[in-house]
Amino acid sequence: DAGVIQSPRHEVTEMGQEVTLRCKPISGHDYLFWYRQTMMRGLELLIYFNNNVPIDDSGMPEDRFSAKMPNASFSTLKIQPSEPRDSAVYFCASSPSNYEQYFGPGTRLTVT
Amino acid sequence: TQLLEQSPQFLSIQEGENLTVYCNSSSVFSSLQWYRQEPGEGPVLLVTVVTGGEVKKLKRLTFQFGDARKDSSLHITAAQPGDTGLYLCAGHGSSNTGKLIFGQGTTLQVKP
Repeated sequence: DAGVIQSPRHEVTEMGQEVTLRCKPISGHDYLFWYRQTMMRGLELLIYFNNNVPIDDSGMPEDRFSAKMPNASFSTLKIQPSEPRDSAVYFCASSPSNYEQYFGPGTRLTVT
Repeated sequence: TQLLEQSPQFLSIQEGENLTVYCNSSSVFSSLQWYRQEPGEGPVLLVTVVTGGEVKKLKRLTFQFGDARKDSSLHITAAQPGDTGLYLCAGHGSSNTGKLIFGQGTTLQVKP
């Protein structure tokens, strides 16, 4: 299995631009998670899905953030408009159950 | 809100030394996991502990879940430079949802 795939690996954008991060979970995994990692705040859960349905989005910082999972093999995290404080590494993870999670390599986002 | 506190935050030791990392909470967790993250990559699951008092060994790594399921420890014997990385504990709350709560992490540097 290729593991969780995220794209792009690096994104540099200017403040105010729309950013879309993509994730392909491991086939057969029912859960998908989006996290943000920074030095100051560590690893924070933004939102997670179970069978393509959003279950808990309480970690989404503002209305500028939105996430979708149109099917079992694809999810997006969108930031519109982006701000410099959104700069972080964004991880997608998938899980076959509500136990172990398998993380992707992350997308390093820099907003200037 | 359930929180996990890790200590120490940073640890720099010489190759061959032993070390212990702690993960503590005032809340009960139904299970607890340890992940290791290397620079530029996502966290990778090392172990899951479920039963209070449980001890698991993974080569030179020993993991223990507290009797009351509120704390855990990771002990590394004869540390090697390859053990360098960020160690994260993460727990599932007593409500047993898919949501993982992560500690802030312990950055370990093992110098040759």
